[in-house]
Amino acid sequence: GIQVEQSPPDLILQEGANSTLRCNFSDSVNNLQWFHQNPWGQLINLFYIPSGTKQNGRLSATTVATERYSLLYISSSQTTDSGVYFCAVDSGGYQKVTFGTGTKLQVIP
Amino acid sequence: EADIYQTPRYLVIGTGKKITLECSQTMGHDKMYWYQQDPGMELHLIHYSYGVNSTEKGDLSSESTVSRIRTEHFPLTLESARPSHTSQYLCASRVSGELFFGEGSRLTVL
Repeated sequence: GIQVEQSPPDLILQEGANSTLRCNFSDSVNNLQWFHQNPWGQLINLFYIPSGTKQNGRLSATTVATERYSLLYISSSQTTDSGVYFCAVDSGGYQKVTFGTGTKLQVIP
Repeated sequence: EADIYQTPRYLVIGTGKKITLECSQTMGHDKMYWYQQDPGMELHLIHYSYGVNSTEKGDLSSESTVSRIRTEHFPLTLESARPSHTSQYLCASRVSGELFFGEGSRLTVL
């Protein structure tokens, strides 16, 4: 099956700093999403981005499907950005969704 | 945006008990999923459904079972809970390729 790897696995940022999270996938995909898992365990949709670039406030994402990667940019980070960020892709005829290994982000004041 | 509801949010039970985790969505989505996740770790697909009377096992072997009698309802049942079932269980539904999650059910089996 498709392999999804995220980097870095862990990241500590000072409040106000910028960061880039990466998601690599091993095969062509039909869909790609980025999620933020908050400290209470809930998964929040950030972006649905099978290709191209999207922006939402301080966050933006870019997917280059032909090169099999996606990037999530966080600018001017805040402590509320802390948590785990997952990318999820689907491929195959029955659209099974595979999650990446996650990036654990800690933003310190 | 999808509205997906999971109950209970937290459950502590003894070994051997039968439990059912409820998942309901109000948007009429055909595709629904159950994931299992240990804290901070990867999500593993345990069951999915593409519509009424359609259920399939996911990648991670699970002793749980599911049913899909109504479009909006996708409950997960453990006939005899064990400490190894302690985990968070996340329900999701999908429309036009986008996945939406409920708040999760955190299960602890003593």
